[in-house]
Amino acid sequence: EAQVTQNPRYLITVTGKKLTVTCSQNMNHEYMSWYRQDPGLGLRQIYYSMNVEVTDKGDVPEGYKVSRKEKRNFPLILESPSPNQTSLYFCASRNPTGRAIEQYFGPGTRLTVT
Amino acid sequence: AQSVTQLGSHVSVSEGALVLLRCNYSSSVPPYLFWYVQYPNQGLQLLLKYTSAATLVKGINGFEAEFKKSETSFHLTKPSAHMSDAAEYFCAVTALSGSARQLTFGSGTQLTVLP
Repeated sequence: EAQVTQNPRYLITVTGKKLTVTCSQNMNHEYMSWYRQDPGLGLRQIYYSMNVEVTDKGDVPEGYKVSRKEKRNFPLILESPSPNQTSLYFCASRNPTGRAIEQYFGPGTRLTVT
Repeated sequence: AQSVTQLGSHVSVSEGALVLLRCNYSSSVPPYLFWYVQYPNQGLQLLLKYTSAATLVKGINGFEAEFKKSETSFHLTKPSAHMSDAAEYFCAVTALSGSARQLTFGSGTQLTVLP
């Protein structure tokens, strides 16, 4: 089954404790992206990656890091989480060319930073 | 630059009534437009998309949307609401040109269906 998976689905942590949220897709998509969803703000892009070893900032990159060492994986790293990073996070992927350019989303990771 | 405005953060309709969720976009280049639905505690699911072909786009679950360039709108409609349509709906835009094709979302509309 074609899908985007994220782990963990739920995470409660404390301020300053480094964490990683993993994202993996099995559709051989080149483009991957991370979003955060906050009430009244919709989804905002954090980082995206056009291909392996190619990453770029989205609209709200502060406090986050990403890496793209393999095509299928795109982990999101919070080196020193803060309470304002409490949010619902989504990973997404798509083909970068052609008309089938809709993004496929993972199930989400709900992060609480206390 | 591109942006999306969804008018009405909350919309309530009675079961069987028309659903109309409004979306206006801004884009300096020809856009692709999308509607996604998010059911409680789930990820986003694509409802339909406009990719510069037919202006009236039909999607899943009986939803459709019409691209109106003159009004820069892409409103989502369904003739008869079902209880199962209760969810949050997001309109999104991406540009046809440019390699990054960043997807920009609206702030969402929560649809409540009343019995």
